[in-house]
Amino acid sequence: AQSVSQHNHHVILSEAASLELGCNYSYGGTVNLFWYVQYPGQHLQLLLKYFSGDPLVKGIKGFEAEFIKSKFSFNLRKPSVQWSDTAEYFCAVTPSSNTGKLIFGQGTTLQVKP
Amino acid sequence: GAGVSQTPSNKVTEKGKYVELRCDPISGHTALYWYRQSLGQGPEFLIYFQGTGAADDSGLPNDRFFAVRPEGSVSTLKIQRTERGDSAVYLCASSQGTINEQFFGPGTRLTVL
Repeated sequence: AQSVSQHNHHVILSEAASLELGCNYSYGGTVNLFWYVQYPGQHLQLLLKYFSGDPLVKGIKGFEAEFIKSKFSFNLRKPSVQWSDTAEYFCAVTPSSNTGKLIFGQGTTLQVKP
Repeated sequence: GAGVSQTPSNKVTEKGKYVELRCDPISGHTALYWYRQSLGQGPEFLIYFQGTGAADDSGLPNDRFFAVRPEGSVSTLKIQRTERGDSAVYLCASSQGTINEQFFGPGTRLTVL
């Protein structure tokens, strides 16, 4: 069965610090990869996605993620976080053969101190 | 434009009762998804519809859970004989085809006493 593992459950950073959130997935076939974010009191929304092509993907609000196929990883990065980035971040994967079934990781809570 | 809406926003029920949770997708979206999110966990896939038919219901935990989408728009998730372990936030999402971004609703928080 497919699974997604996020290494950090709770991350606390100061503003302007760099961010990297780890995500590894377990699936032997071709996958599509996503990062979703949930700001306090808001709905889940898409940050970025990878289907194919350039493994370095840029999303909204200065976020990027790199797909490393050999490591089954899709880590999220941001060079300089802001207080407004405080949120919960979810990595998710769908098999390319069943693109309707999003499998989520358990999430990482990011707290940015002003 | 209007996003995905879910009603009710909160539902408190007693163990053993029947509940229905409603999802109104974004107009024109052909695919509709249900997820369940327990405290401290990521959303867990339950079922998704392509049009009126369930394309994948492999995430439904048991036969107490059932979902319908009779006209290819609004969907209802039905839970029979609720148990305390069913307490969670039930999320609905919709998309234009399954390869496109899923837009999530605000969720229904179900509490089973």
